[in-house]
Amino acid sequence: EAGVTQFPSHSVIEKGQTVTLRCDPISGHDNLYWYRRVMGKEIKFLLHFVKESKQDESGMPNNRFLAERTGGTYSTLKVQPAELEDSGVYFCASSQLLAGSSEQFFGPGTRLTVL
Amino acid sequence: AQSVTQLGSHVSVSEGALVLLRCNYSSSVPPYLFWYVQYPNQGLQLLLKYTTGATLVKGINGFEAEFKKSETSFHLTKPSAHMSDAAEYFCAVSRDSGGYQKVTFGIGTKLQVIP
Repeated sequence: EAGVTQFPSHSVIEKGQTVTLRCDPISGHDNLYWYRRVMGKEIKFLLHFVKESKQDESGMPNNRFLAERTGGTYSTLKVQPAELEDSGVYFCASSQLLAGSSEQFFGPGTRLTVL
Repeated sequence: AQSVTQLGSHVSVSEGALVLLRCNYSSSVPPYLFWYVQYPNQGLQLLLKYTTGATLVKGINGFEAEFKKSETSFHLTKPSAHMSDAAEYFCAVSRDSGGYQKVTFGIGTKLQVIP
């Protein structure tokens, strides 16, 4: 069974440009999460989808970030326009929609560098 | 609110020595506790988790952790370090929110194993 995949693995862009990150969750996982790790800091929650609906976007830094999950399958996270402080590793995770501690499976992350 | 403190961002041990990675948490409700590991260029992998029941939890690759409520701790141990254990380890806490979780991570501990 394929795990969570993310594309691209690395992205280097200039300040002011737009970047779109993609996450493909494990098939059948209704929960999809985005996290970000800024260098030297904790991995922080950005937002959570249940199927195509945003359930919790309390961690989104500002309105330059837009996440979508059309059709409840893959998700995209767009940063427009990118700023220097957006650099970091963006992780996606997915899990089954179950009561209790449903394990989150993480992708390898996308390393974003904004110059 | 919940938070995680990992003591020591870098830990070095000799091959064959005891591994002890410290984690303390705070949570307003009974927590779920996790240890994740990230090997170079890979995603986060679940090592072990505590939800309810037995407080000593065994995970993969010979790791285990003990939930101590009185000390609000969930330290990770392994009796004998192997070179392949060199990685970054993350302690995390979450609570069930009806089928999904928002995971709060610690800052991570990089484990170096010295031959």
